[in-house]
Amino acid sequence: AQSVTQLDSQVPVFEEAPVELRCNYSSSVSVYLFWYVQYPNQGLQLLLKYLSGSTLVKGINGFEAEFNKSQTSFHLRKPSVHISDTAEYFCAVSRSGGSTLGRLYFGRGTQLTVWP
Amino acid sequence: DTGVSQNPRHKITKRGQNVTFRCDPISEHNRLYWYRQTLGQGPEFLTYFQNEAQLEKSRLLSDRFSAERPKGSFSTLEIQRTEQGDSAMYLCASSLPSIYGYTFGSGTRLTVV
Repeated sequence: AQSVTQLDSQVPVFEEAPVELRCNYSSSVSVYLFWYVQYPNQGLQLLLKYLSGSTLVKGINGFEAEFNKSQTSFHLRKPSVHISDTAEYFCAVSRSGGSTLGRLYFGRGTQLTVWP
Repeated sequence: DTGVSQNPRHKITKRGQNVTFRCDPISEHNRLYWYRQTLGQGPEFLTYFQNEAQLEKSRLLSDRFSAERPKGSFSTLEIQRTEQGDSAMYLCASSLPSIYGYTFGSGTRLTVV
């Protein structure tokens, strides 16, 4: 089975500062990796995903993440955050292979709070 | 296309009562998933359907839980004899049979008192 560890449960940061949300995964097989964002009382929205190829992936809202296979990490970054980025962020993993996506295994989430 | 729709948005029920939630996926999506999210946790997989066939169930889905997708379109999740531990957000997602990710609904928040 796969598992995900999000090392920080809360990350406070000031507006326009850079941010990094950390994610490490464990798996005995190759994986696909995802970051989702959840605003209060809403469902999850896909930010970005790594399926194969370039290890640096760019997503919506200026976010990017880098897949590091040797460190089994997939950290999310943004060079300059806005107050509107305040939300819960979830890292998720799914085993790769085949043409379809199976179940996702999620981390516990990181609450990003951006202060003015 | 209005995305994945879940009803009701909120449900408060007394312990021991039965509840049923509905999920309407994006119309061309033939895969439908149910997840449960408790406070401070990430979503946990419950079950998924391809068309009307239920292909996988988590051990989290006890005998009190049943999910159906009778015509391969909408799905229902029923919880019988609710317990306080069932209080959670129940999320539905749908997808095409591809590797390009799910679309989640806004969830149904269940509170068992």
